[in-house]
Amino acid sequence: QKEVEQDPGPLSVPEGAIVSLNCTYSNSAFQYFMWYRQYSRKGPELLMYTYSSGNKEDGRFTAQVDKSSKYISLFIRDSQPSDSATYLCAMSGFTGGFKTIFGAGTRLFVKA
Amino acid sequence: DTGVSQNPRHKITKRGQNVTFRCDPISEHNRLYWYRQTLGQGPEFLTYFQNEAQLEKSRLLSDRFSAERPKGSFSTLEIQRTEQGDSAMYLCASSPGQGETEAFFGQGTRLTVV
Repeated sequence: QKEVEQDPGPLSVPEGAIVSLNCTYSNSAFQYFMWYRQYSRKGPELLMYTYSSGNKEDGRFTAQVDKSSKYISLFIRDSQPSDSATYLCAMSGFTGGFKTIFGAGTRLFVKA
Repeated sequence: DTGVSQNPRHKITKRGQNVTFRCDPISEHNRLYWYRQTLGQGPEFLTYFQNEAQLEKSRLLSDRFSAERPKGSFSTLEIQRTEQGDSAMYLCASSPGQGETEAFFGQGTRLTVV
């Protein structure tokens, strides 16, 4: 079993839809939770960053962390074609080091 | 440009050749990470440095791979005797390094072994 599980999609939605992206994880040592956006042939770009459980909102993006369920989510409101990308969840904690572990990424297509 | 810089952006090499990639992290970031990403997968951790000290290496990092960060600034990743299975995007990231913080990535070096 992978430490971080993420549905690879693809997920296709119409413009303006609310998008929900999710990850589950198994290591309770993870404390920091991140979402990265990656366009084709580019490096990952940090979108959201959350410590421990709770919600964080930034514009059209909301990140949620439920440590009791080991489940994190990213919501995108009023989705735009420019949101079409791969979304990677990532997490870190003192697991003997400070490396960040990534999910496989979910490919999102927002249709105009 | 104050982001993480990686060079070269693309590298095509013949099987059996050695290749070296360079990463310049964000200024004053103490931690530097190397990841490998293949098509359809998330980045896989290879190794990380706290200043010039290499603190952790993944089992993915075979003895053909070596990474250095000699003065705690830029880093190099060398792959010796390349194999076709080494074809991937090699990503470098850096973070401030005080406790837990997010990592910022470069654009990556895409390696193709023919």
